Amino acid sequence: ETVMTQSPATLSVSPGERAALSCRASQSVSSNLAWFQQKPGQAPRLLIFGASTRATGIPARFSGSGSRTEFTLTISSLQSEDFAVYYCQQYNNWPRTFGQGTKVEIK
Amino acid sequence: EVQLVESGGGLVQPGGSLRLSCAASGFTFSGYWLHWVRQAPGKGLVWISRINSDGSTINYADSVKGRFTISRDNAKNTLFLQMNSLRAEDTAFYFCARDTVDNGGNITPFDLWGQGALVTVAS
Repeated sequence: ETVMTQSPATLSVSPGERAALSCRASQSVSSNLAWFQQKPGQAPRLLIFGASTRATGIPARFSGSGSRTEFTLTISSLQSEDFAVYYCQQYNNWPRTFGQGTKVEIK
Repeated sequence: EVQLVESGGGLVQPGGSLRLSCAASGFTFSGYWLHWVRQAPGKGLVWISRINSDGSTINYADSVKGRFTISRDNAKNTLFLQMNSLRAEDTAFYFCARDTVDNGGNITPFDLWGQGALVTVAS
């Protein structure tokens, strides 16, 4: 199984600041990497797929980069609605696996 | 409206069974792969099963293989998860989610989610 490791577990950021979230795969997943945002009591929402393609309706302040085993989600200027938990997920290998999540909280 | 709506969650005793449903609307159900993903309260997301568009290809996570069965009824636009031999560790919110796969085989994963159904396994 492909193990996905996210860091940090918690990121404290002030509104307007930039946030960079990391995701590492235990083996290559090519560019088959997605990022999801989840707020309390809600289902996850797809932000990024193909490592760098924004999903429909996702603001341009969200960007993804990386390939093979190292990936980054960057939020260029945090808005109040961006404070949430973010998960990476690989869909290159079965079973599909998620990282354990990074909580972005208000500093 | 394009949506997935889960139902069938509830409280069940260890060793018991439960069947979840996921009703789709607003899109051509038979053209999409579908998944079940679960999340224990306060924990992370765990993929558990996938079925392709015509039901001919199915995958399971090892944690549920042999106990859970995924199926779909394309005529009724509904996805199912039959859960048998339930354990306390199966307690979670269960989400159905959709993959979009284009003619070239390119996947947009989990681009639509249901709101989740809570399954509690306890005596």
